[in-house]
Amino acid sequence: GAGVSQSPRYKVAKRGQDVALRCDPISGHVSLFWYQQALGQGPEFLTYFQNEAQLDKSGLPSDRFFAERPEGSVSTLKIQRTQQEDSAVYLCASSPGQYNVLTFGAGSRLTVL
Amino acid sequence: RKEVEQDPGPFNVPEGATVAFNCTYSNSASQSFFWYRQDCRKEPKLLMSVYSSGNEDGRFTAQLNRASQYISLLIRDSKLSDSATYLCVVNTFSSGSARQLTFGSGTQLTVLP
Repeated sequence: GAGVSQSPRYKVAKRGQDVALRCDPISGHVSLFWYQQALGQGPEFLTYFQNEAQLDKSGLPSDRFFAERPEGSVSTLKIQRTQQEDSAVYLCASSPGQYNVLTFGAGSRLTVL
Repeated sequence: RKEVEQDPGPFNVPEGATVAFNCTYSNSASQSFFWYRQDCRKEPKLLMSVYSSGNEDGRFTAQLNRASQYISLLIRDSKLSDSATYLCVVNTFSSGSARQLTFGSGTQLTVLP
């Protein structure tokens, strides 16, 4: 597609529910990042993929967070047993290679009640 | 201490004013630097890359001082449409090929009529 597509755009979950957020990067983009952005803060790094390899997951806040990109294109960020502090916008970004500028998707806004 | 720190803001300036934002980074191994702009409830978008020699794009000038680990953004003749949050971004390659793109918390600018 023309840009990075994320779905759902908005998700309301009850505490304890599992959620899955999808990112469809620009076709052919090698690098893919997930970021978490809380209200009034800058994006915080979660994890980074180069093709299907997850090279860095140091930003995932707990073992409830899991990300995958099995075929090197679409990526899914899964959050198990959601907590209120997980409420944030989850941004996905991709780039053609390691040295290129990122293009962000519009984000998935998660609200945990 | 955060890896990337920015002026907290907010900055409220009249139209036509010149405004400067500062940013410092802690990792001396960082290789590339950017300013992103984020409008309210939108995704971050690249404003400009920052080069060691300094670079200008119309009313926007970016400077990098590697010795002081300091980045700046100057906006001249500010317009109402410049109102946004400005994010300082630092790109670092860690061991192996993992790429780390770290964002500051952002500085909010409001240009007043």
